[in-house]
Amino acid sequence: GENVGLHLPTLSVQEGDNSIINCAYSNSASDYFIWYKQESGKGPQFIIDIRSNMDKRQGQRVTVLLNKTVKHLSLQIAATQPGDSAVYFCAERGNQGGKLIFGQGTELSVKP
Amino acid sequence: ETGVTQSPTHLIKTRGQQVTLRCSSQSGHNTVSWYQQALGQGPQFIFQYYREEENGRGNFPPRFSGLQFPNYSSELNVNALELDDSALYLCASSLDPKNEQFFGPGTRLTVL
Repeated sequence: GENVGLHLPTLSVQEGDNSIINCAYSNSASDYFIWYKQESGKGPQFIIDIRSNMDKRQGQRVTVLLNKTVKHLSLQIAATQPGDSAVYFCAERGNQGGKLIFGQGTELSVKP
Repeated sequence: ETGVTQSPTHLIKTRGQQVTLRCSSQSGHNTVSWYQQALGQGPQFIFQYYREEENGRGNFPPRFSGLQFPNYSSELNVNALELDDSALYLCASSLDPKNEQFFGPGTRLTVL
């Protein structure tokens, strides 16, 4: 079946440290992966995406790594700030059009 | 803000009732996807509408139905409400079914 899961449900870091959030997926046919940030009372906000023909993509303070061999995805946030505190979801696009399959989420807490 | 709006923001219903949730897509977007997000979980795909036609459906019973209008806004209808239907209902719009999805703030439905 299709499933996307996260290794750690909660992550607490000190302001200024780097954060790494991990995700495992099971559908080897997925061709597109996205990280979303969801703050309390809001909808998911796009952070960064990566296609299956890439293994790394960088944005502003964020990097996504894709390891297709072990079906693993990670989000790295550099110099984590209090405003980064939120729940982070990985999602994969399965083989049914635009359907996104989300994992459970990791709550990131940044201590000042 | 993504430009995707949803109404109402909150709703309380009782078991057996019917509910209609509304979503206005971002300008220029012809695709709307609906997701159900239970507390502490990732969003679950309900269905997607592309140019007024259903374009994929998740594992939800037929009492979950939808519509997309010529202006690409959309409705989600749920009949015979059950307690487990209590959740945050998210809609997301995109340029087409395979493009980045922009989420609205959601409608919080409580079924008593």
